[in-house]
This record gives sequence, structure tokens and C-alpha cells, in this order.
Amino acid sequence: NAGVMQNPRHLVRRRGQEARLRCSPMKGHSHVYWYRQLPEEGLKFMVYLQKENIIDESGMPKERFSAEFPKEGPSILRIQQVVRGDSAAYFCASSPTSGLYNEQFFGPGTRLTVL
Amino acid sequence: ELKVEQNPLFLSMQEGKNYTIYCNYSTTSDRLYWYRQDPGKSLESLFVLLSNGAVKQEGRLMASLDTKARLSTLHITAAVHDLSATYFCAVDNSGSARQLTFGSGTQLTVLP
Repeated sequence: NAGVMQNPRHLVRRRGQEARLRCSPMKGHSHVYWYRQLPEEGLKFMVYLQKENIIDESGMPKERFSAEFPKEGPSILRIQQVVRGDSAAYFCASSPTSGLYNEQFFGPGTRLTVL
Repeated sequence: ELKVEQNPLFLSMQEGKNYTIYCNYSTTSDRLYWYRQDPGKSLESLFVLLSNGAVKQEGRLMASLDTKARLSTLHITAAVHDLSATYFCAVDNSGSARQLTFGSGTQLTVLP
């Protein structure tokens, strides 16, 4: 059973370009979460999605950031017009459709560097 | 707003010694998670603690949860170099939001 897949693992963008980060949840998981980790810090929640629905985007910056989880295909975190402050590791996690608790399984992360 | 505090933030210890990492959180929750992260890697789930008084052990690590004190501990017994990593606790806000709130992490270095 493959774990959470993320790609690319490393992404370099110049200021003003767009970054697209992809996440495929574990098989049987329909809940997807995106977190951001700045250097030497813990993870900060950004957004929680189910198929075709954004459930909670309270941690997402209001501008330039968007996320989707279409019926088919991976979840996408999109950052438009990137700035240096967007440089971070972005982790995707997934959890089962049903279950007694909210254990989240993390992908390997995408490390975004903005030049 | 849920806040999660870990201490210490940095911990150097010698092989063979014991130590405890503390995780305090600010609002009621009965679900707490411990993760390990190696440099440049993702998070590996260590323990899931689901109720007051829960205690779980795996190898040299033991985690416990006191929901009344809003405190979890991660105890390291007879540390070995392979345990060097950053350890995070995370709390589920137990509501419908399902987001995890993470502590800042404890960077553990086990010295020979």
C-alpha cells in the first residue's frame, strides 16, 4: 500500500512565478490536509479538503494561495506570484474516510525555494 | 485558539541517559499525536494517544497523556544515537475542523 505521494520533491521558482504542488493520498483515504513548515518551526495547518470540497481553509493566506481536490486526480496546492517568504516545506497528509480518530499520514513534502 | 507548547526546544543527551519531553496544550482535547522528523524528511507517526491516562511504549520511547492537566510526555529511556531527530507533538482540536496543531518541536541530539 503506497503511502502519501507528493511531487515534485523540490521546486525552484523565481519571484512572480506560479508554483503547483501535487498530493495523492493513501489508497482508501478521502481526507487531505496541507501544512507548511518554515525552517526550524513546526507545521502550520493550511487547508483541509475532501473530494471536490474545501472543508476548512482557515490557515490559508487569503491571497495567491488556492487548493483543490478534484473528483479524479491528485490534490493541488497552487501558489500564484510567489514571493521569497513562500519558501518552505509543504507537506500533504491524508486520513481515512472513516475511523475513530484523526491520525494523519504525511507525504515526503515539497521543498519550495523562491529565488 | 489552540496553542501547543513543547519543551525543551533543544536537547542534547548522552547515550544511555533518560530524559522527558513535555507537551502542553491550551484547550480541551483528548487526542494527541507524537511524530518524529529526521532532517529533510517527512513526519513519521510514533504514537496516538486517545484518552486520559493513555500510555504507549515502543522500544525506548514511551508516551503518556493527562487530559486534565493538558499535558503529554515523551520519555526516552537509555538513549541511543539513532533516536537523534526532531520530535513533534500535535493536538487534534476534536472539532469538525480536524486540523492538527503542532508544537514547535524538540530537536534531540544523542551524543556518543
